[in-house]
Amino acid sequence: NAGVTQTPKFQVLKTGQSMTLQCAQDMNHEYMSWYRQDPGMGLRLIHYSVGAGITDQGEVPNGYNVSRSTTEDFPLRLLSAAPSQTSVYFCASSRDRFNYGYTFGSGTRLTVV
Amino acid sequence: LAKTTQPISMDSYEGQEVNITCSHNNIATNDYITWYQQFPSQGPRFIIQGYKTKVTNEVASLFIPADRKSSTLSLPRVSLSDTAVYYCLVPSGSARQLTFGSGTQLTVLP
Repeated sequence: NAGVTQTPKFQVLKTGQSMTLQCAQDMNHEYMSWYRQDPGMGLRLIHYSVGAGITDQGEVPNGYNVSRSTTEDFPLRLLSAAPSQTSVYFCASSRDRFNYGYTFGSGTRLTVV
Repeated sequence: LAKTTQPISMDSYEGQEVNITCSHNNIATNDYITWYQQFPSQGPRFIIQGYKTKVTNEVASLFIPADRKSSTLSLPRVSLSDTAVYYCLVPSGSARQLTFGSGTQLTVLP
């Protein structure tokens, strides 16, 4: 059972480049979400999805897009990378948004230069 | 807003019981309280979740008083490997976001 798989683990981008962070889960979870974590801080919610075809914004959505075409996958797109988006990105999934614990991936460490 | 407040840091010694208290004064009637553990360079790991009174699993207990304005995570007989950041979460705001605050850095000393 792989759980939540994030790729890549590390990425360096130049300012203005775009890229997609991949997230896949094999637990048939309806709820998926993306967080970013900056040094010494807690996680901040970027976007979330309560099921295929349904997405919504979190605390810090600007500069990021998401889509949920299947239950398993929830990619995060950076449209035009900025140094302020240098962070560690975590994807999480759960059976439900509030009433079950989240399973997190191992993270993607992104540096924008 | 059901904002949470936790101590920034705590120290303990191996073999002791550790209690971390979180306050959430404006928690909604039907909301659960969830605790996570995070090691450096890893994603958070779910520890325990509860609604009222006491919940216990193989790694921790969660105590929630009747007014539900706070909760206490109890880690029995901690070891060095329990050194981590612990987060308390409740839904907050009109959008009911689950927000990770700064958490509590627990350091277990030999």
